[in-house]
Amino acid sequence: GESVGLHLPTLSVQEGDNSIINCAYSNSASDYFIWYKQESGKGPQFIIDIRSNMDKRQGQRVTVLLNKTVKHLSLQIAATQPGDSAVYFCAENIRGYNKLIFGAGTRLAVHP
Amino acid sequence: EPEVTQTPSHQVTQMGQEVILRCVPISNHLYFYWYRQILGQKVEFLVSFYNNEISEKSEIFDDQFSVERPDGSNFTLKIRSTKLEDSAMYFCASTRRQPSQETQYFGPGTRLLVL
Repeated sequence: GESVGLHLPTLSVQEGDNSIINCAYSNSASDYFIWYKQESGKGPQFIIDIRSNMDKRQGQRVTVLLNKTVKHLSLQIAATQPGDSAVYFCAENIRGYNKLIFGAGTRLAVHP
Repeated sequence: EPEVTQTPSHQVTQMGQEVILRCVPISNHLYFYWYRQILGQKVEFLVSFYNNEISEKSEIFDDQFSVERPDGSNFTLKIRSTKLEDSAMYFCASTRRQPSQETQYFGPGTRLLVL
């Protein structure tokens, strides 16, 4: 069912630690996945994407892992910085459909 | 770097009034989208637009909503008779190709408050 609520799960980390944010996606036919970062009062900002023919993709300080068997996506942020504090959303696309389906979001709080 | 822009950044309106939210997508993009985000909740798809017609819409996008690309640069969302529950952030996005082929780039949003 839908995962909607006013209270986002929060991940609190110390500056310099690694962060792992998880997402369970909804549709086994989804073949393109994106992680977005949203700061307060702003629009979603692209971080990294991955296609279903891959299980891992790395960017600068970020890594996305995809487990299609259990429909699970994760975002790893290395050496987390205060500027990483934001809400992180995963989004999925089903080939042939002109829309993204967003997950519920996780708030990342980085403490100095 | 080119980006999606939206105006106004904030809009306050009375229930029952019409509002038009404006977006300027990235110039060489061909697919356009509107999403909304109620405070504290996830981003929800409203509508996608390609080749001057709606290509997909959600259940939220009822007869009170319409979209238009009045010229070569603007993409608008009109809410004909606003309701209290229309209060949300509205985001425009665009892509050059289909969303299964590349990332959607989002604008900064318009915060709509219906009183």
